[in-house]
Amino acid sequence: GQQLNQSPQSMFIQEGEDVSMNCTSSSIFNTWLWYKQDPGEGPVLLIALYKAGELTSNGRLTAQFGITRKDSFLNISASIPSDVGIYFCAGQATGNQFYFGTGTSLTVIP
Amino acid sequence: DTEVTQTPKHLVMGMTNKKSLKCEQHMGHRAMYWYKQKAKKPPELMFVYSYEKLSINESVPSRFSPECPNSSLLNLHLHALQPEDSALYLCASSIDRVISPLHFGNGTRLTVT
Repeated sequence: GQQLNQSPQSMFIQEGEDVSMNCTSSSIFNTWLWYKQDPGEGPVLLIALYKAGELTSNGRLTAQFGITRKDSFLNISASIPSDVGIYFCAGQATGNQFYFGTGTSLTVIP
Repeated sequence: DTEVTQTPKHLVMGMTNKKSLKCEQHMGHRAMYWYKQKAKKPPELMFVYSYEKLSINESVPSRFSPECPNSSLLNLHLHALQPEDSALYLCASSIDRVISPLHFGNGTRLTVT
């Protein structure tokens, strides 16, 4: 199946720094989702985006639906140790299955 | 706490065993999914049920057999698995298949010996 390119693959940052990651696709999507997954647990939905150009925040997290509808971005401000985990994007064309990104592993150094 | 409940949390089975994974949600969602996830990789879609009918089978081997007894329950029956089938099996649900985010359970960690 289709796989989305997510970058960077991994990040090591100091506590308090801001984080940016992105997800790109060769196909147009109508929905973009961002998930965080902790070890041994299922992915937890962070933000859902439904409209090109949409900018949505959830606390320190902000995500954007790219204007081309082929990409999405996630920013985390003022990172804290509990932000550690793997972040996945997922895109969907209407009525079709969700395709997941390759994941970004985030490590926050206290 | 997740609103999608999966049992068991861990399962170890031999290659000749028959076991079942269970998933339950009470959010009124009409689409339910099984995903397989290897370590540090994204979830891979296995099956999709929409309104209790199987709508997608991603060419999954027949040793995996899904079942949706009602709109709240989803099972995955396992038989004659291989060691390479060891993975985290995730169940998810969504309001429907059209435009609706997936809500995941915490998964069953399966080890095939």
